[in-house]
Amino acid sequence: QSVLTQPPSASGTAGQTVTISCSGSDSNIGSNPVNWYQHPPGTAPKLVIYSTYQWPSGVPDRFSGSKSGTSASLAISGLQAEDEADYYCSTWDDRLSAYVFGTGTKVTVL
Amino acid sequence: QVQLMQSGAEVKKPGASVTVSCTASGYTFTSYFIHWVRQAPGRGLEWVGQINPTSDGTTFAHKFQGRVIMTKDTSTSTVFLRLSGLRPEDTAVYYCAREGRGRGGFDYWGPGILVNVSS
Repeated sequence: QSVLTQPPSASGTAGQTVTISCSGSDSNIGSNPVNWYQHPPGTAPKLVIYSTYQWPSGVPDRFSGSKSGTSASLAISGLQAEDEADYYCSTWDDRLSAYVFGTGTKVTVL
Repeated sequence: QVQLMQSGAEVKKPGASVTVSCTASGYTFTSYFIHWVRQAPGRGLEWVGQINPTSDGTTFAHKFQGRVIMTKDTSTSTVFLRLSGLRPEDTAVYYCAREGRGRGGFDYWGPGILVNVSS
């Protein structure tokens, strides 16, 4: 059972903005940077946001991250068909001394 | 370019052990932690553990402690994951991933290895 909670699904039409939440606690999101991964079916996950706000090379700035207290969010603006995938938040948990992943959110482009 | 190549699919019986490998190229092997993450069918991503290729230090998720060993061979830039006492619920795709500097997320991933535990 994951310590980071995400909504199971999110959707939008092409061009819209979708926002995914990730709820944790003081020992994880409250104390450490958050990373976000895009995971299309049948392929390896891809890092889309690291250190809460930063873009890896090659990731468009349509993806943006934020954090407030023990919750984090990933926003995808200008939604495109290629953005359809499962998205996971992740961070280090000081109490567990382990990395933890969120429950995952399936993004659908309508 | 940075690449992580993984060994082939495995089929094991319950109670057996499995060793899978991850060979890195395109960067200085000892400069970055390597992590293992798995995904069981229909489930989300789950962190298994990490190895520091410089110190050999390892950290594992609590649920795997006592069943998992991570080692490395610097001469071939390869990291190994050995999981013993296999159970059907260990059936999953196992990914290795490199961690960017300063807890910079898992920036490069291997293609994944399917481990199937079935009697």
